[in-house]
Amino acid sequence: LAKTTQPISMDSYEGQEVNITCSHNNIATNDYITWYQQFPSQGPRFIIQGYKTKVTNEVASLFIPADRKSSTLSLPRVSLSDTAVYYCLVASDNYGQNFVFGPGTRLSVLP
Amino acid sequence: EAGVTQFPSHSVIEKGQTVTLRCDPISGHDNLYWYRRVMGKEIKFLLHFVKESKQDESGMPNNRFLAERTGGTYSTLKVQPAELEDSGVYFCASSQEGAIGSNEQFFGPGTRLTVL
Repeated sequence: LAKTTQPISMDSYEGQEVNITCSHNNIATNDYITWYQQFPSQGPRFIIQGYKTKVTNEVASLFIPADRKSSTLSLPRVSLSDTAVYYCLVASDNYGQNFVFGPGTRLSVLP
Repeated sequence: EAGVTQFPSHSVIEKGQTVTLRCDPISGHDNLYWYRRVMGKEIKFLLHFVKESKQDESGMPNNRFLAERTGGTYSTLKVQPAELEDSGVYFCASSQEGAIGSNEQFFGPGTRLTVL
């Protein structure tokens, strides 16, 4: 079971780039790295997923080094509405117990 | 396209009573998952349906919890009898593909269950 470690909280200001790093030292060969975002009173929302190198979509970028023991979620030019909890998950296929959310990182974007 | 919906949004019951939570996944999603976050803890996996079959129910806490998905569409999660420690938020999610770790899951807003 790949355990993840990420900062409990981060503060940023509007317009800044935010990088949240997640450590997963015992990631397995067939594990994917997935990031979810959760606002209060809502369910988690998928942001981005990757296996290695770099992945970019319209919302964020995900950087994964060659050893895959960590990953960094990058949010460009955050706004107040990006204030949320961000979860890093590492899991492979079809075993639900591996899909562990952890405490996440509470990002506060300040004006 | 409608997202995952859950009903009710909030339920308050007394210890020993029965509660049934409902989840309607996104149309066409064969895979349906239940999670819960009890007070002060992290979101934990409960079980996974593929169509009407239970693919993985390793996260179900005990036999007071019964999940069903008749016909492979909506799902219900019944708690009988409810205990105080069952209080929390119950999330449902669905996905097109069945691989839990490698596919996007769409979550509903959750049902907040309060057991008094």
